[in-house]
Amino acid sequence: ETGVTQTPRHLVMGMTNKKSLKCEQHLGHNAMYWYKQSAKKPLELMFVYSLEERVENNSVPSRFSPECPNSSHLFLHLHTLQPEDSALYLCASSQQGIPGNTIYFGEGSWLTVV
Amino acid sequence: DQQVKQNSPSLSVQEGRISILNCDYTNSMFDYFLWYKKYPAEGPTFLISISSIKDKNEDGRFTVFLNKSAKHLSLHIVPSQPGDSAVYFCAASSIQGAQKLVFGQGTRLTINP
Repeated sequence: ETGVTQTPRHLVMGMTNKKSLKCEQHLGHNAMYWYKQSAKKPLELMFVYSLEERVENNSVPSRFSPECPNSSHLFLHLHTLQPEDSALYLCASSQQGIPGNTIYFGEGSWLTVV
Repeated sequence: DQQVKQNSPSLSVQEGRISILNCDYTNSMFDYFLWYKKYPAEGPTFLISISSIKDKNEDGRFTVFLNKSAKHLSLHIVPSQPGDSAVYFCAASSIQGAQKLVFGQGTRLTINP
C-alpha cells in the first residue's frame, strides 16, 4: 500500500479509442504528477499539478489530457494514441514547499496501444 | 541532456556482499537526492534520500554517500539480500527547479545466492 492508487493497472486500447487513467492519493499531499516510463528510457515527467493548478507540461502531445479536480485525484485522458505511446504510466504525489521533495509513486498503469 | 546519469545499466553481486550503485549529476543547483527501488510491473518505491548539506545518510542496510565536489552519489547496500534484486533509480531535485525530480536511467541489481 503506497498511498497512491492507480486504476486500471492494465489497459489495452485501439488508436481510435478514448480512455482515462485514474489516480488517487491518500497522503494529504498538495502536488500530483504523471510520469511515463518507456523501455530503456529514464522516467519522463509529463505533467505536474500543484494545488490543483497545472504548473508543468513537458511538451506532451495533446492526445494526452490531464485533469486534476481536487488535490487527491488526478486523471489522464487518452485519445487517438499511437502504438509508440505504449508504456507504463506512473502517478505520483508529494508535499511541495517543504525541504526535500520526496515523491511517492503509485503502482502504475500499463498501457498498450494496438 | 541527461542531468542525472547512472552509467552502469546492470550490476551482479553475491548474497551477503556489498552492493554499490553509482550516480553522477551535472546540475550544481541540485540540493536533494533520492534513491528509488523498482520491481517489475510496479511503481518505484522511495528508499533513501540525502540533502546537499550532508555527505552521508544511513538507514539500516542502506547508506547513501554524496560527494558534491565530484557531483557524485552512491548507494551502498550491505549485506545484500536476494530481495534487493530490482532496478534502482537515482533522482535529484532543486528548490530553483520547483523541486521536480530528474531521474537517472536506472541500474538493474541482481543478487546471486
